[in-house]
Amino acid sequence: DAGVIQSPRHEVTEMGQEVTLRCKPISGHNSLFWYRQTMMRGLELLIYFNNNVPIDDSGMPEDRFSAKMPNASFSTLKIQPSEPRDSAVYFCATKRVSNYGYTFGSGTRLTVV
Amino acid sequence: DQQVKQNSPSLSVQEGRISILNCDYTNSMFDYFLWYKKYPAEGPTFLISISSIKDKNEDGRFTVFLNKSAKHLSLHIVPSQPGDSAVYFCAASAQNAGNMLTFGGGTRLMVKP
Repeated sequence: DAGVIQSPRHEVTEMGQEVTLRCKPISGHNSLFWYRQTMMRGLELLIYFNNNVPIDDSGMPEDRFSAKMPNASFSTLKIQPSEPRDSAVYFCATKRVSNYGYTFGSGTRLTVV
Repeated sequence: DQQVKQNSPSLSVQEGRISILNCDYTNSMFDYFLWYKKYPAEGPTFLISISSIKDKNEDGRFTVFLNKSAKHLSLHIVPSQPGDSAVYFCAASAQNAGNMLTFGGGTRLMVKP
């Protein structure tokens, strides 16, 4: 099992550009979560999906952020336009709906200059 | 309003001594608690958990204690080793909330040789 796979590992972009982060969940895990880690706020939940359906996106900071899960094996988090304050590490985590524990990906470190 | 709080952003301990990391929560519906460990440039990984029907769970050098009346849990690491140096996140879950995890802000543990 390759675990939760996130790409890219690092992304440096200019302010105003569109950024797309990608996540491939573990096969059979039907809940998927996008988190953002910052020094000030720790791990913030942005949005989560159950069975490819968005359940709670109240953590998405602004309309500039959007997330999709078109199928059980792929999800994207898009920021358009990006701003310097979006710089953070973004994690994807997945689990089976019936389980408690999450498995995290290695994260994408986003830097917006 | 943070439902899970880790009030110590950092902790420094000498190798061989005990490390005690603390976590407080406010939601009385939380019924399952987990600790995650995070090394730099990696995603958080599951360390140990405890159900609300217990007050202690032990796994090798790691023990988690739960005090439901105080809404407090702690992670004890004994003896501490330099390889334990990492950020530790406390997380809580409620069955009636779909087992979604709410994370604390993390505590950075530094174990000095």
